Amino acid sequence: EDKVVQSPLSLVVHEGDTVTLNCSYEVTNFRSLLWYKQEKKAPTFLFMLTSSGIEKKSGRLSSILDKKELFSILNITATQTGDSAVYLCAVGYYNQGGKLIFGQGTELSVKP
Amino acid sequence: ETGVTQTPRHLVMGMTNKKSLKCEQHLGHNAMYWYKQSAKKPLELMFVYSLEERVENNSVPSRFSPECPNSSHLFLHLHTLQPEDSALYLCASSQDLSRNGETQYFGPGTRLLVL
Repeated sequence: EDKVVQSPLSLVVHEGDTVTLNCSYEVTNFRSLLWYKQEKKAPTFLFMLTSSGIEKKSGRLSSILDKKELFSILNITATQTGDSAVYLCAVGYYNQGGKLIFGQGTELSVKP
Repeated sequence: ETGVTQTPRHLVMGMTNKKSLKCEQHLGHNAMYWYKQSAKKPLELMFVYSLEERVENNSVPSRFSPECPNSSHLFLHLHTLQPEDSALYLCASSQDLSRNGETQYFGPGTRLLVL
């Protein structure tokens, strides 16, 4: 059975800290790994990764994929209270366009 | 604002009621999705539509009935639901089902409570 596992499930840090969120997967016909940020309700897209070892970066957030070891990490540097959210990892498939399987999410809380 | 709207935002219904959830996307996308998010569980894909045709039905009970009259609108008709169906129902859209299918834009969701 295909699965996506995120760790930790929850995390509390203080402003300015750096955090690393983990996502591992066991999926047949892997095509891509995606990170979303969910505040309140609607998940918003952060990154899509398809190639190993190529870092994607957006401001203080960065992510990288290891297709050999079947995992990805999401790094957030100099965290701010606005980074508090649930971070979701999802995997997409070849030949099943649009189908995503999600992990259970990591709930990040950034304290002032 | 992601360009995907959902109504209502909150819904309380009894097990014998019939109600509908509505989703509208203003992004010119061709694919739309329904997801269920229960507490402490991963998002579960329910249905996928591409150009108004259903292409995925993820073993969803028949008490959930989707409808896609055009590429901008998606409905989820609900009838004789169970309390365990209480969850956040999220709608999403993507440009299409090719390589762009994974980049999905989500609506704010409908929080459903079944009594």
